[in-house]
Amino acid sequence: KNQVEQSPQSLIILEGKNCTLQCNYTVSPFSNLRWYKQDTGRGPVSLTIMTFSENTKSNGRYTATLDADTKQSSLHITASQLSDSASYICVVSAGGSNYQLIWGAGTKLIIKP
Amino acid sequence: DAGVTQSPTHLIKTRGQHVTLRCSPISGHKSVSWYQQVLGQGPQFIFQYYEKEERGRGNFPDRFSARQFPNYSSELNVNALLLGDSALYLCASSLGRAGRDEQYFGPGTRLTVT
Repeated sequence: KNQVEQSPQSLIILEGKNCTLQCNYTVSPFSNLRWYKQDTGRGPVSLTIMTFSENTKSNGRYTATLDADTKQSSLHITASQLSDSASYICVVSAGGSNYQLIWGAGTKLIIKP
Repeated sequence: DAGVTQSPTHLIKTRGQHVTLRCSPISGHKSVSWYQQVLGQGPQFIFQYYEKEERGRGNFPDRFSARQFPNYSSELNVNALLLGDSALYLCASSLGRAGRDEQYFGPGTRLTVT
């Protein structure tokens, strides 16, 4: 069964600190992996999209890694800011004719001053 | 460039009523997907339309239906509303198939069923 699991479920850190969010998946065949940031009550915003051949991808203070062998991805946030408080969702696209998107439950990140 | 737009922004309906939600994709995008997001949970996939044809359907009852028009805009219809249909309804557009190409989300329509 295609699944995406994220950890931790929630995380509280102090402003200025770094953090890493985890995503493990069992999706086959694999097409790509996405990380989204979603503020409460708003639509998700894409941070990165990575294909099988990409190990690392950065978007400002956000850096995503992908290990296709172990089927793990991480999202590292550097020098966190109050505006980073949001839910971070990992989504994996299954290849094949349907390109089904498998959504993780998300990690709720709270940045405290 | 305009992003994905959705209307209305907020909506209050009574149980048993019908609702139509609208979505305009980014210019040039041919795929529209609909998601339901209940408070505190992640988005749940409802439908994907690509080139005006249904290309995917999530685990939702037949009360939910959708269509895509020749200009690639889309409507989501929900009949016989239940209290449990209260949620944020998100529309996302992509250039091609949603799973292949990056998706861009609209601001959502907040539906409250009383």
